[in-house]
Amino acid sequence: AQSVAQPEDQVNVAEGNPLTVKCTYSVSGNPYLFWYVQYPNRGLQFLLKYITGDNLVKGSYGFEAEFNKSQTSFHLKKPSALVSDSALYFCALWGGKLIFGQGTELSVKP
Amino acid sequence: EADIYQTPRYLVIGTGKKITLECSQTMGHDKMYWYQQDPGMELHLIHYSYGVNSTEKGDLSSESTVSRIRTEHFPLTLESARPSHTSQYLCASSERDAPRYNEQFFGPGTRLTVL
Repeated sequence: AQSVAQPEDQVNVAEGNPLTVKCTYSVSGNPYLFWYVQYPNRGLQFLLKYITGDNLVKGSYGFEAEFNKSQTSFHLKKPSALVSDSALYFCALWGGKLIFGQGTELSVKP
Repeated sequence: EADIYQTPRYLVIGTGKKITLECSQTMGHDKMYWYQQDPGMELHLIHYSYGVNSTEKGDLSSESTVSRIRTEHFPLTLESARPSHTSQYLCASSERDAPRYNEQFFGPGTRLTVL
């Protein structure tokens, strides 16, 4: 069965520190992976995707994600967090349709 | 400007009312989707369409119905709203080819409360 998991409901980071939001997946065949962000009272916004190629994918707002096939992971990262990065982050996997993880709430404190 | 719109943004109605949530996109996308986002924030696909006159049910059973008469328009209707329908409803669209490769564009959502 194809699935995606975000093991942390919440991640707390101090402004200026690096951040990581974790995502693991299970799929038969090639994985097509996405990260989305949702700000309060808004729809989801696309951040980045992995289709093929380089394992380090760069996206919007300074975010990047590292694809690791052996660990079946696709963690979202940013070298220096901003308070404005505080939001809900969703990892998603294409499995005939878009399968979303349960979301991770990122809180960046000044 | 190419975008995806949802109206109303917020709706509070009484039990038994018929409602239609509107979704329109100006990007010319063939594929459109409706998601329900529950209080735990998980997203569940309830309907999708791959083009005009094409509609399919998603994973989460829903008493709502959809129609796709025009490419740009994908409304969702509840014939008789109940408190269990209280949720946030998100509309999305994506380009025609290879949806596995293409990101989905989301509208701002409609937050529905049924009293």
